[in-house]
Amino acid sequence: DGGITQSPKYLFRKEGQNVTLSCEQNLNHDAMYWYRQDPGQGLRLIYYSQIVNDFQKGDIAEGYSVSREKKESFPLTVTSAQKNPTAFYLCASSRFGQGEDGYTFGSGTRLTVV
Amino acid sequence: QQPVQSPQAVILREGEDAVINCSSSKALYSVHWYRQKHGEAPVFLMILLKGGEQKGHEKISASFNEKKQQSSLYLTASQLSYSGTYFCGTVGLPGAGSYQLTFGKGTKLSVIP
Repeated sequence: DGGITQSPKYLFRKEGQNVTLSCEQNLNHDAMYWYRQDPGQGLRLIYYSQIVNDFQKGDIAEGYSVSREKKESFPLTVTSAQKNPTAFYLCASSRFGQGEDGYTFGSGTRLTVV
Repeated sequence: QQPVQSPQAVILREGEDAVINCSSSKALYSVHWYRQKHGEAPVFLMILLKGGEQKGHEKISASFNEKKQQSSLYLTASQLSYSGTYFCGTVGLPGAGSYQLTFGKGTKLSVIP
């Protein structure tokens, strides 16, 4: 079955450490996205990519970095510059990048920084 | 700018109907609706495109008023499985902001027996 796999489901890190969240999709989607979800805030866009080797900042990109070397993969690095990294992170993909198609979401990674 | 959803929360008894509203300050190209159960991924329900018609199936449908930049999600004869948080997402017209989906803060729907 096609879908999006995010790993790990839970992640604990010490303050000051960088951490990379994995996102892999086998839906042959061109566009991929990273969202951050905090209680009562909805989903906020961190980064998105519409084609391989190209990506753009979303609304809250500061303290995060991404790469898109393969169509199937879009890893997110939470750097030590991110002031409040504890959150639920969701990866998504879609066939198109212009809001014409529904998004498929992964099951998320809950990051806790202590 | 985030679309504004209302109400923030609603409690229904099984069989009752509900309406969730989504309002944007920018001209819209499309509106998406998703449902998220606690600790799970949001699940795509439907998309409404500019110039399109009301969509949905038997018990969950939605409308899109382009002039008012508003969308509404209608849930009829609610079932326990409808419980969750509903998010609308909006995509602006070219020149009206990002092409990317911007989500509202969500409406928590609880259906009780």
